[in-house]
Amino acid sequence: KNEVEQSPQNLTAQEGEFITINCSYSVGISALHWLQQHPGGGIVSLFMLSSGKKKHGRLIATINIQEKHSSLHITASHPRDSAVYICAVRSGSARQLTFGSGTQLTVLP
Amino acid sequence: DGGITQSPKYLFRKEGQNVTLSCEQNLNHDAMYWYRQDPGQGLRLIYYSQIVNDFQKGDIAEGYSVSREKKESFPLTVTSAQKNPTAFYLCASKEGTGRNQPQHFGDGTRLSIL
Repeated sequence: KNEVEQSPQNLTAQEGEFITINCSYSVGISALHWLQQHPGGGIVSLFMLSSGKKKHGRLIATINIQEKHSSLHITASHPRDSAVYICAVRSGSARQLTFGSGTQLTVLP
Repeated sequence: DGGITQSPKYLFRKEGQNVTLSCEQNLNHDAMYWYRQDPGQGLRLIYYSQIVNDFQKGDIAEGYSVSREKKESFPLTVTSAQKNPTAFYLCASKEGTGRNQPQHFGDGTRLSIL
């Protein structure tokens, strides 16, 4: 079983819809990252969080440490949000990140 | 602008050849990383370096080699010992060696076998 599980694997939405991508992990962590990978392959770091909630523009990330679960929400989705969204965690003592396999989001106009 | 530059964007290799992927950063970051990405899988760590002249194996180091002679540069060599080298390779860097800092990624190199 992977340490980091994302759902759904693929998600298609209509422009304007509210989107939620989920990430569950099985180990104690010191931080969780949400990344965005564009069709060309480049990756951008969206959020790093260890508790609570963070917001940046139309993106919101939440984490529940007790339930070992995080969600990435996109409000008023737009076709330019189409990308792969990747969850990654750093366990308490590790120097490395463990990555989920990503969620492919397609937002249709 | 500061950032991470990977080159080339696309690379083709004949079987039995070694190839070197370039990664340069002008962010003055101490730590650098190489990841491999295969379809449907999460990124996997190949090698990482926390400081110049030092590097550590990641989860899938076999068939790869690296060097860190300069802070700005962390080239990855895919050797002929790597039996399945076709993949997307991502380089990343991080300021300092603290655990909870974001990594900055390059745009990747796609390696294919001819």
